[in-house]
Amino acid sequence: AQKITQTQPGMFVQEKEAVTLDCTYDTSDQSYGLFWYKQPSSGEMIFLIYQGSYDEQNATEGRYSLNFQKARKSANLVISASQLGDSAMYFCAMREGFSGGYNKLIFGAGTRLAVHP
Amino acid sequence: EPEVTQTPSHQVTQMGQEVILRCVPISNHLYFYWYRQILGQKVEFLVSFYNNEISEKSEIFDDQFSVERPDGSNFTLKIRSTKLEDSAMYFCASSGVGMEYEQYFGPGTRLTVT
Repeated sequence: AQKITQTQPGMFVQEKEAVTLDCTYDTSDQSYGLFWYKQPSSGEMIFLIYQGSYDEQNATEGRYSLNFQKARKSANLVISASQLGDSAMYFCAMREGFSGGYNKLIFGAGTRLAVHP
Repeated sequence: EPEVTQTPSHQVTQMGQEVILRCVPISNHLYFYWYRQILGQKVEFLVSFYNNEISEKSEIFDDQFSVERPDGSNFTLKIRSTKLEDSAMYFCASSGVGMEYEQYFGPGTRLTVT
């Protein structure tokens, strides 16, 4: 069964507009974490934002915010004021439980975002 | 800002050859990982490593794969006898004590097996 589902293979947005990238997850653990990574065409994986399952507040990092809806098991990434440099592949990932320190990440299939001028 | 580094950035090898991919994790990190991404597909977990031993490995990480931390800074992934299907981007990642939720990835090594 899919643990992380990203239903939007591709999205486009006008520069300076906000965009929401969807992510739903499936876990029976009470303690888990959700991540978003950006992968530009150069290939590296850039950590954007993290949300822990016990965090009351939605995580924010600059123009990135994570819309965490625990009951719906969704962790959507919101990018405000899109810039041309935001064009990239975006991956949602989850770590399940807390295994004493190390945590393997399970990734979704990704959403390719194109920002148009 | 500290970062994870990986060498080489691109490796081309013939089927059946051994390859060693190298990573230098962030210096005060204690948890190390390898992931791979076949072109156009999702990133997949291979192995995690802590305290000089494997913490967890995936089904992909069979006997052809091994990891090692030969000194205080390097973390290596060895593939003993490469197959065509091993062609992928290999990412090293690391995380620190008390900050296990932040996993930082290296730039990746693109492995091409011909």
